[in-house]
Amino acid sequence: QQQVKQSPQSLIVQKGGIPIINCAYENTAFDYFPWYQQFPGKGPALLIAIRPDVSEKKEGRFTISFNKSAKQFSLHIMDSQPGDSATYFCAASNTASKLTFGTGTRLQVTL
Amino acid sequence: DAGVTQSPTHLIKTRGQHVTLRCSPISGHKSVSWYQQVLGQGPQFIFQYYEKEERGRGNFPDRFSARQFPNYSSELNVNALLLGDSALYLCASSWTADQPQHFGDGTRLSIL
Repeated sequence: QQQVKQSPQSLIVQKGGIPIINCAYENTAFDYFPWYQQFPGKGPALLIAIRPDVSEKKEGRFTISFNKSAKQFSLHIMDSQPGDSATYFCAASNTASKLTFGTGTRLQVTL
Repeated sequence: DAGVTQSPTHLIKTRGQHVTLRCSPISGHKSVSWYQQVLGQGPQFIFQYYEKEERGRGNFPDRFSARQFPNYSSELNVNALLLGDSALYLCASSWTADQPQHFGDGTRLSIL
């Protein structure tokens, strides 16, 4: 199975809140898990990525948590800002290319 | 430095026609991949090319083809267009075939 399941479909948080987006995968050969951010009319932009040899990776306000046994990973956005309002996609691959994407989470950060 | 550039940005075609989409990778990147993003969904992998050779193909019909040129730019061709081909077509480039990918802003293809 090549699917990557992403939830929730949409999310509204207040400024300063910590939105959490979850993904689950089935293919145990996957070993690269990136998150992309996409604004309307733009292509996806790479935010942060993790490989399964670590359980957590932090870059700025973005943190990936990875649970290899559960085949799940999640994105946390600390101190969220209105400028973070976008669609977020998780993805997975057994290389860093040929990505299998989730269905996306539309995040809205309100004032 | 310029990012991944795609042309045209928008295109309108009718059923049965063919289309050619173009992509210039980030300077120095030798791998180009193509993805199709239908409205409201995540991108779906179509092709990957590295050093002018096909390195992978997604679950798309033979109406879809691509190639990579000596300067590492790439073309995606779609023949016998169907209404369901309406989508945003994204190109991504990377240094090698297994490095993180960086996307362009896509070509919005509408089929009437």
